Amino acid sequence: DTGVSQNPRHKITKRGQNVTFRCDPISEHNRLYWYRQTLGQGPEFLTYFQNEAQLEKSRLLSDRFSAERPKGSFSTLEIQRTEQGDSAMYLCASSLLAMDTQYFGPGTRLTVL
Amino acid sequence: ELKVEQNPLFLSMQEGKNYTIYCNYSTTSDRLYWYRQDPGKSLESLFVLLSNGAVKQEGRLMASLDTKARLSTLHITAAVHDLSATYFCAVGPLDSNYQLIWGAGTKLIIKP
Repeated sequence: DTGVSQNPRHKITKRGQNVTFRCDPISEHNRLYWYRQTLGQGPEFLTYFQNEAQLEKSRLLSDRFSAERPKGSFSTLEIQRTEQGDSAMYLCASSLLAMDTQYFGPGTRLTVL
Repeated sequence: ELKVEQNPLFLSMQEGKNYTIYCNYSTTSDRLYWYRQDPGKSLESLFVLLSNGAVKQEGRLMASLDTKARLSTLHITAAVHDLSATYFCAVGPLDSNYQLIWGAGTKLIIKP
């Protein structure tokens, strides 16, 4: 296994458009996390899955954001009606157990024009 | 609300010198992580510290945890240019077994 992968790596979109990102975790990891990181800041937690169940969503995650993990494997994060403030790096991480180290993917950099 | 503060936020140093990065957090926690991030890249796990007094070392980096003082340190010994990166600490709240609260990061530049 080569680690956590994310696609696309870069996305440029116009304000108001919808975007979807994909994350493929390490294969045996049943826990998956989404974070958002802006320049000069640490990651901010967005949401968490254990298998296919979404167990927690940050209050940062507005109604325009939705995440799924339909079969407990890959996950998607969709942002509807993008705003310029959504421009950030979106990071996905996975872990085997609850308090294990989280292993991060390369991220998807979103730019909203 | 759990807050995590790192200092310094920026550090420029010469090769061969020693220095320490500090990570303070505001409430009780049972785990602390250190990560490294190179420019434009993702986060690489360095250390996991799970108990008071825990000390871990890898090469020129050593991390320690004092849960009573709510403080972790990342010590760099005889720095080399390849250690230039941004270092983050992340703390797990006691009331969550998955959420991490992150510091703002320490940008470390090591000059040859």
